[in-house]
Amino acid sequence: QFELTQSPSASASLGASVKITCTVGSGHSNYDIAWHQQQPGKGPRYLMNLKYDGRHRRGDGIPDRFSGSSSGSERYLTISSLQSEDEADYYCQTWATGIQVFGGGTRLTVL
Amino acid sequence: DVQLLESGGGLVQPGGSLRLSCGVSGFAFSGYAMSWVRQAPGRGLEWVSSIGGFDDSTHYIDSVKGRFTISRDTSKNTLYLQMNSLRVEDTAIYYCARSTFGDYDVEYWGRGTLVTVSS
Repeated sequence: QFELTQSPSASASLGASVKITCTVGSGHSNYDIAWHQQQPGKGPRYLMNLKYDGRHRRGDGIPDRFSGSSSGSERYLTISSLQSEDEADYYCQTWATGIQVFGGGTRLTVL
Repeated sequence: DVQLLESGGGLVQPGGSLRLSCGVSGFAFSGYAMSWVRQAPGRGLEWVSSIGGFDDSTHYIDSVKGRFTISRDTSKNTLYLQMNSLRVEDTAIYYCARSTFGDYDVEYWGRGTLVTVSS
């Protein structure tokens, strides 16, 4: 199915690393995705494009603390050296011939 | 710099119409796919509609097909979303979004405009 699945929540300590997962629906394991961040009360911000083979390209101004990786149907966003401003909702997005889908989002809490 | 600025949101009764606009600058408008993405209060992001770069092919989520129409006017550097037969469940912040060149991942977001459908 053309869908993306995310865990609703994640948490990690200040200064630590966290890995957020987005699962691509069955039959679509070769799909690329994008990751977006939405801080409380703000609009979304593009973080990166993540290819099915793990190659990724960050958006303008996105620090290299944000990285992506892939394994089969799983797409990962890793945030290292967590800062308080990283507390946000994170969404994955995929697309096919103009149709787009967003995952349900993962709310990250920085402890 | 790429800039996207939405306007046209507001309060409308069920069954009514609204036209959202998104003025763009800082890039060659006709060459990029553009989208509308919405976010209902307290909910996640939901793609609504896209228009392709160069070919202007249009795509819609099932729930708005036949009611919403996406279009662009390259002479005015403006993207539109005509929304008819509005329903309470269309209440959301509507974001204008530009994709990366040649693809559909959203690279730039506008600040959004709020549409409230209520009697």
